[in-house]
Amino acid sequence: GENVEQHPSTLSVQEGDSAVIKCTYSDSASNYFPWYKQELGKRPQLIIDIRSNVGEKKDQRIAVTLNKTAKHFSLHITETQPEDSAVYFCAASRGAGSYQLTFGKGTKLSVIP
Amino acid sequence: DVKVTQSSRYLVKRTGEKVFLECVQDMDHENMFWYRQDPGLGLRLIYFSYDVKMKEKGDIPEGYSVSREKKERFSLILESASTNQTSMYLCASSHRGRGGVWASYEQYFGPGTRLTVT
Repeated sequence: GENVEQHPSTLSVQEGDSAVIKCTYSDSASNYFPWYKQELGKRPQLIIDIRSNVGEKKDQRIAVTLNKTAKHFSLHITETQPEDSAVYFCAASRGAGSYQLTFGKGTKLSVIP
Repeated sequence: DVKVTQSSRYLVKRTGEKVFLECVQDMDHENMFWYRQDPGLGLRLIYFSYDVKMKEKGDIPEGYSVSREKKERFSLILESASTNQTSMYLCASSHRGRGGVWASYEQYFGPGTRLTVT
């Protein structure tokens, strides 16, 4: 089945710096890659997603890049702010068009004021 | 606004008890999911349902069963709770759409139930 590896598990950055979280996936048929943010004590919420027919997607300070050949995708957060502190999960669909996702183990991002 | 609710935020049960966790969504979503979240292990899929009375096992179904009698409600059942089932349980729902290779959609999560089995 699908396997999603996520790195790093923890990341600390100074406020205003950039943060990058990387994920690799194993199933070449996967074609949907969402990122979820989970603040302390809250539910995971989608912050950005990308489909395999697109190489990059941006939404204000957040961007995701996808390299299908290498089977990896990354989350980029620029100009980090304290409210970006959270656990971030990447995920990949279990094959093309699957409703089920395989999640990475998460990255705890701390933004130091 | 999508709303997914779970019956309890915190639950304490004894070993061997039968435990019911309920999830309700109000967006007419066809798909519903139960995950277990443990530190350092991410979100692991227990069961998935794509329609009323339909279910598929996820990655860790052992010790769990599910019930979906109505479209908006998905229940997770621990037949005989054990201490290794102490965890955070998250329910989610998603739209099914028209299917096909681009059919994956955002999952909306409930607030979670923290279950402690003693």
